[in-house]
Amino acid sequence: EVQVLESGGALVQPGGSLRLSCAASGFTFSSYAMNWVRQAPGKGLEWVSSINNNGGSAYHTDSVKGRFTISRDNSKNTLYLQMNSLRAEDTAVYYCVRGIVGATGGVFDYWGQGTLVTVSS
Amino acid sequence: DIVMTQSPDSLAVSLGERATINCKSSQSILYSSSDKNYLAWYQQKLGQPPKLLIYWASTRESGVPDRFSGSGSGTDFTLTISSLLAEDVAVYYCQQYYTTPRTFGQGTKVEIK
Repeated sequence: EVQVLESGGALVQPGGSLRLSCAASGFTFSSYAMNWVRQAPGKGLEWVSSINNNGGSAYHTDSVKGRFTISRDNSKNTLYLQMNSLRAEDTAVYYCVRGIVGATGGVFDYWGQGTLVTVSS
Repeated sequence: DIVMTQSPDSLAVSLGERATINCKSSQSILYSSSDKNYLAWYQQKLGQPPKLLIYWASTRESGVPDRFSGSGSGTDFTLTISSLLAEDVAVYYCQQYYTTPRTFGQGTKVEIK
């Protein structure tokens, strides 16, 4: 069974840093692109970052460029999101999502349960 | 960025009746060389993560009931639930994967009338 399990969400002060992790199981992790998608409380879905299967290509939405970095460790079947210079508007549930179609997996076929990041003083 | 606009924002449908959700992209998401539309639909029930329903605008994901269907091409797309069940109460999102940034519609909330 395909599973992705996020961890690392927390309450952090503005300007602080956090690293999210996503442990994957039930599929050949190194064969799939992976993504982070977030959802602010009571709001819609926003794509944040994508990374291809070998980690050689990564993309971020403009609002997080220079602050967030997506990475992966295929030996550990784990996806990461390093978040620096956090802002109140980054407050959201962050979903780890497997991607299919294309090198960076534009269709999101398996979603984790999400981890909550709250940026507040 | 490609802007995805859904309509309506919410709708109430009687059990067993048809529900229709529209999604419009700000530019064509039809890739001419493959003749494929880069459009997916997701369902999100309260307190749960989204679930993939349809991709390539009309291809149902494995295990998705056939009362869900997708149609459209270019810039205009539709998700139809042919006969609404109580378990279909959810928010539905369209999403383009033609280019980055991947963008979603604002969501359409489907309720029982």
